[in-house]
Amino acid sequence: GAGVSQSPSNKVTEKGKDVELRCDPISGHTALYWYRQSLGQGLEFLIYFQGNSAPDKSGLPSDRFSAERTGGSVSTLTIQRTQQEDSAVYLCASSFKDGAYEQYFGPGTRLTVT
Amino acid sequence: GDSVTQMEGPVTLSEEAFLTINCTYTATGYPSLFWYVQYPGEGLQLLLKATKADDKGSNKGFEATYRKETTSFHLEKGSVQVSDSAVYFCALSARRGAQKLVFGQGTRLTINP
Repeated sequence: GAGVSQSPSNKVTEKGKDVELRCDPISGHTALYWYRQSLGQGLEFLIYFQGNSAPDKSGLPSDRFSAERTGGSVSTLTIQRTQQEDSAVYLCASSFKDGAYEQYFGPGTRLTVT
Repeated sequence: GDSVTQMEGPVTLSEEAFLTINCTYTATGYPSLFWYVQYPGEGLQLLLKATKADDKGSNKGFEATYRKETTSFHLEKGSVQVSDSAVYFCALSARRGAQKLVFGQGTRLTINP
């Protein structure tokens, strides 16, 4: 079946612009995670959605970052007023119920802020 | 907070050599432990996992044992192949809350024929 998909695969933006990154989880998966992979920080957790519960935003690095998940499916990660340190690969993962189940990762969106 | 420390790379081995990538963790309680692999040009995928002490995860000839007494989850393979060249990440997931993955820094493995 279809895996986790993310779009765009690559995004180049100018410093100060806003960007939106999209994630389509595996159908039927109620848990959705965003992670960031960068050279300096490795792989780090950003935000977690589980069903209709309030998201866990504890990993968001600043208030320029926000995310939503509509209808318990598609999620959008928005970065406002992008900075060069936001350059990274943004990974989305979904799992059947919660973290006790395997998390399936998408291919990522490579964001470059110039 | 929770953290994972893994052997820094890069690691270069010859085909059929024995592989060990060390991983230790710090966590409250008893986390689940994972090894993820990222092959060139591909996304992260789960290689193996263990959910309680003394459990052994295994897949594709790789093994790792959950050692509570040494807080370790070392990855081993008896005879590596060129196709094992990839970046390997050790990770943990707490049993409560978001159960998010906390990753080590990753170890780049290159196998030469």
